Order: sequence, then structure tokens, then C-alpha cells
Amino acid sequence: DTAVSQTPKYLVTQMGNDKSIKCEQNLGHDTMYWYKQDSKKFLKIMFSYNNKELIINETVPNRFSPKSPDKAHLNLHINSLELGDSAVYFCASSQGFRGKTNEKLFFGSGTQLSVL
Amino acid sequence: SQQGEEDPQALSIQEGENATMNCSYKTSINNLQWYRQNSGRGLVHLILIRSNEREKHSGRLRVTLDTSKKSSSLLITASRAADTASYFCATAIYNFNKFYFGSGTKLNVKP
Repeated sequence: DTAVSQTPKYLVTQMGNDKSIKCEQNLGHDTMYWYKQDSKKFLKIMFSYNNKELIINETVPNRFSPKSPDKAHLNLHINSLELGDSAVYFCASSQGFRGKTNEKLFFGSGTQLSVL
Repeated sequence: SQQGEEDPQALSIQEGENATMNCSYKTSINNLQWYRQNSGRGLVHLILIRSNEREKHSGRLRVTLDTSKKSSSLLITASRAADTASYFCATAIYNFNKFYFGSGTKLNVKP
């Protein structure tokens, strides 16, 4: 069983469209994340949710809206897609939250978004 | 910013040789972690070293941490072709599960 799964793996769309990426984890973790990896492989945190509550929002344009229906799911909806949104988006999860010193991330396999 | 920066950006070695990658960061950290990313895949956790530790081993991996220099190194001994991947360091800041990554070191191990 895949621990962190995200769909779709590839997403090709036109500028201006709205699209969603879904993520699910079966690890029983409390915290989930969205990361964006650009063409230079730089990985930047976008959002983090802990038990359905938004805890990190790294100055991401409000065209990006994360939604966590329960602690096992964190979806990413993107409105009015722009060329610069083209990247690989990774979902990740970790066991808990503040104060833990040994947290590590478990990543999904990524969604390659291409905006034409 | 808090991000880790890996050095070199790319490294090409022969199978059997050792590979050393470095990471520098800017502010106080809780721990530092190394991840591997195979082409087209997500990142996989390799090893974690806490801010009060200086060295850690896991199999063929050896990680050092120098908090006074705000740097870490990852050594892969007796490299194999299967070690070909990008390697990222991630810094975690105190009290938040906020992990900052750099752009990685791309390691190519030639058979």
C-alpha cells in the first residue's frame, strides 16, 4: 500500500483553468503538507495542516486553496492557472506537530503540472 | 531565509568511490535531515541528526553536523549505481514542523 498517494501524476492544462490535486495518507499522521518543486529542483513549502487546521501558509497566492476534509486528506485547488504555476507539486505527511524533535516527512510521488 | 543550500550542485563519481555532499543553513535549527529523490519520484528520508549531535551513521551513510558553522555533510561510502539520485538537506526550525529544503546535489554514480 502506498503511504502517501497523490493524483493525478501528470496534469496538463491551459492558462486560466482551475484544477485540483488530491492527496491521501494512510499512515495515521496528523500533519500534511504541500510543497512546490520548481524547474531548478528547489523545494518550497506552501501549506501545512495539522488535524484539518491550517498551520503554515507561506505567502502563497490566494489562487491556491488547500482543503483538508479530514486528517488523512489534503487537497490543493488552484484557480486561474498561470504559466508560472508549472512545477511539480508534492504532498507530504509527518506524524505530529509542535515540540517533537524527530519528525520526518513522507512524500507522495508528485504531480507534474504543466500550464500551456 | 532558513533554507538549506547543498553543495556541490552536481557530483559524478565511479562506483566504489565515496561521495560527499555539503549543506549550509542560516539560522538555529531543531534538527537537520537528509533526503534522497530518485528521478520522477518523491523524496525519501535517509537520516536525521539533532542539533545536539555531531555525527550519525546509518549503513553506508555518515552525517556530520557543525552548528557553529551552520553546516552539515553527508558521506556515502562505497557508492553504487543505485545511489544515483538527488540528495537534499532539510532544516527543521524550533517549535514548528517547518522543513526548509534547498535545490539538492545531483549525484551520478557511474558503473
